[in-house]
Amino acid sequence: SYVLTQPPSVSVAPGKTARITCGGNNIGSKGLHWYQQKPGQAPVLVIHYDTDRPSGIPDRFSGSNSGNTAILTISRVEAGDEADYYCQVWDSSSDHPHVVFGGGTQLTVL
Amino acid sequence: QVQLVQSGAEVKKPGASVKLSCKASGYTFTRNDISWVRQAPGHGLEWMGWISSQNGHTNYAQKFQGRVTMTTDTSTTTAYMELRSLRSDDTAVYYCARVGPYGDYDHDSWGQGTLVTVSS
Repeated sequence: SYVLTQPPSVSVAPGKTARITCGGNNIGSKGLHWYQQKPGQAPVLVIHYDTDRPSGIPDRFSGSNSGNTAILTISRVEAGDEADYYCQVWDSSSDHPHVVFGGGTQLTVL
Repeated sequence: QVQLVQSGAEVKKPGASVKLSCKASGYTFTRNDISWVRQAPGHGLEWMGWISSQNGHTNYAQKFQGRVTMTTDTSTTTAYMELRSLRSDDTAVYYCARVGPYGDYDHDSWGQGTLVTVSS
């Protein structure tokens, strides 16, 4: 079945730019979504359809998706951005279409 | 505003069943599917399946087929998820999430989660 690969952790200093990758076979052909999850809280959608921000998400969050890699970029990182981030696609290519999540990336703000 | 409010924590013995609820409000319930996603302690998100709130059609992850049943009650705008033959590794927080309308299964609103503990 389809696999999404994320680095377990990324660290960034406040005010700098964080980039979190999500790898998958020809992932650029799929709609890619990103979620932020803070400890003890439910996930929150921060990017959908590769690049679109839902209402209320700061424009410091942006996304790209091409080839075999999608990237979530967080500019001017703040302490409040520290969280786990998950990518997700809908895999319609298999005999049994299903939702796939990446393993998650823990973002640490130094 | 869109809200999904889930039922309270459960403690079950191995082999038992659990049925969780997810009360939706703030939107037209039948316009969006509902997914169920779980998260074991210290682990990532795991999709269990979805149900169409419009017609009750379901799509379960292969891992849970035969053990899970998802239903909806449109009169109360509530979704339900029943998991049977519980094992200790079913201990997790279970989330319901509203599926976006455009076909690529983003999840734009989430419930607060329900902790299910399976222990003898």
